[in-house]
Amino acid sequence: GNSVTQMEGPVTLSEEAFLTINCTYTATGYPSLFWYVQYPGEGLQLLLKATKADDKGSNKGFEATYRKETTSFHLEKGSVQVSDSAVYFCALSDGSGGYQKVTFGTGTKLQVIP
Amino acid sequence: DTGVSQDPRHKITKRGQNVTFRCDPISEHNRLYWYRQTLGQGPEFLTYFQNEAQLEKSRLLSDRFSAERPKGSFSTLEIQRTEQGDSAMYLCASKDSTDTQYFGPGTRLTVL
Repeated sequence: GNSVTQMEGPVTLSEEAFLTINCTYTATGYPSLFWYVQYPGEGLQLLLKATKADDKGSNKGFEATYRKETTSFHLEKGSVQVSDSAVYFCALSDGSGGYQKVTFGTGTKLQVIP
Repeated sequence: DTGVSQDPRHKITKRGQNVTFRCDPISEHNRLYWYRQTLGQGPEFLTYFQNEAQLEKSRLLSDRFSAERPKGSFSTLEIQRTEQGDSAMYLCASKDSTDTQYFGPGTRLTVL
């Protein structure tokens, strides 16, 4: 079945540091890949997505590139801010079955300190 | 576009009681999903509706769980005879024909 593996947290960075959160996946077919963010006490918000190999998703300074050869979708940001502190979930949606339910990783907590 | 809404946001109940949650999807979205998220984990798929039809149910959805979407708009998720293991965040998401699901704020259930 489908699965998503992401690096365990928590990740603690100083403000303006470079961020990488690793994510790899296993899926049949050609999934779409997503990063969702969950701020404390809130629901999941879509951060970015990529729908096919070599696509780059980007939003709010975050980027991730769909790498089919390494089955990876690592999240990066060049300079993090305190407001980026949240839990980040890598996810995939496999459209081959028609239902397109989303399979999530376990989440990586990011804490940015001033 | 007001987004996906869920009610209540928090529910505390005693073991053995029944609870019902409601989800109102984005109005033009015909697909609706329920997920469960436990502490420190990612959300896990429970069930899926296309319009009023429930097309898929996870093995996580025991006989005590039932979901409906009677008119293809809002949906309800009922848990009968709640157990402490049911304590979790219950998330609803909706989507249109694109591949992106939009999530509500969730209902946090605590079973004492």
